[in-house]
Amino acid sequence: EDKVVQSPLSLVVHEGDTVTLNCSYEVTNFRSLLWYKQEKKAPTFLFMLTSSGIEKKSGRLSSILDKKELFSILNITATQTGDSAIYLCAVPNNAGNMLTFGGGTRLMVKP
Amino acid sequence: NAGVMQNPRHLVRRRGQEARLRCSPMKGHSHVYWYRQLPEEGLKFMVYLQKENIIDESGMPKERFSAEFPKEGPSILRIQQVVRGDSAAYFCASSSQSTGAPEKLFFGSGTQLSVL
Repeated sequence: EDKVVQSPLSLVVHEGDTVTLNCSYEVTNFRSLLWYKQEKKAPTFLFMLTSSGIEKKSGRLSSILDKKELFSILNITATQTGDSAIYLCAVPNNAGNMLTFGGGTRLMVKP
Repeated sequence: NAGVMQNPRHLVRRRGQEARLRCSPMKGHSHVYWYRQLPEEGLKFMVYLQKENIIDESGMPKERFSAEFPKEGPSILRIQQVVRGDSAAYFCASSSQSTGAPEKLFFGSGTQLSVL
């Protein structure tokens, strides 16, 4: 059974801080790893990672994958209050159509 | 192009009642997935449907839960004789293809079910 574990469970920082969120996984047949941001509504897609060592970047957010050690990190620099959300990590099954999610990291950014 | 539409946004039921949750996929999408999110937890897969077919229901509880995606109309997740433990957010997602593109899965805003 595929498994995804995220840490920390929750995090409180101040605006301007940099945060690192962790995701470790165990899958039968690795295809990709996805990051989502969930505010009080639908999870929205951030990144999909398939190759080790290649950083994906979008503004102040970046993510990298280590397929040897089976983990990924999501970095957010110069955090803003709008970054407050639950960040979810997920891996698809072999068919690529069903996601196993981690428990999420709840990030709160204080002004 | 409207996204994945779920209704109602909030649903309150008393123990023993039935809950019906609806999901209209994005236009052009014929693959629908239901996920459940318990408080303080990640999303858990429940069921994957295509039009008139259940493809994978490995995440569905064996009793009281059923899902359908008829030829016409939205997908329905039905929970009979609800219990307090069914209280959760239920998310629907849709995609236009069955495999190989999880990044093209789009989620609805969810239905928050509260069982009194």
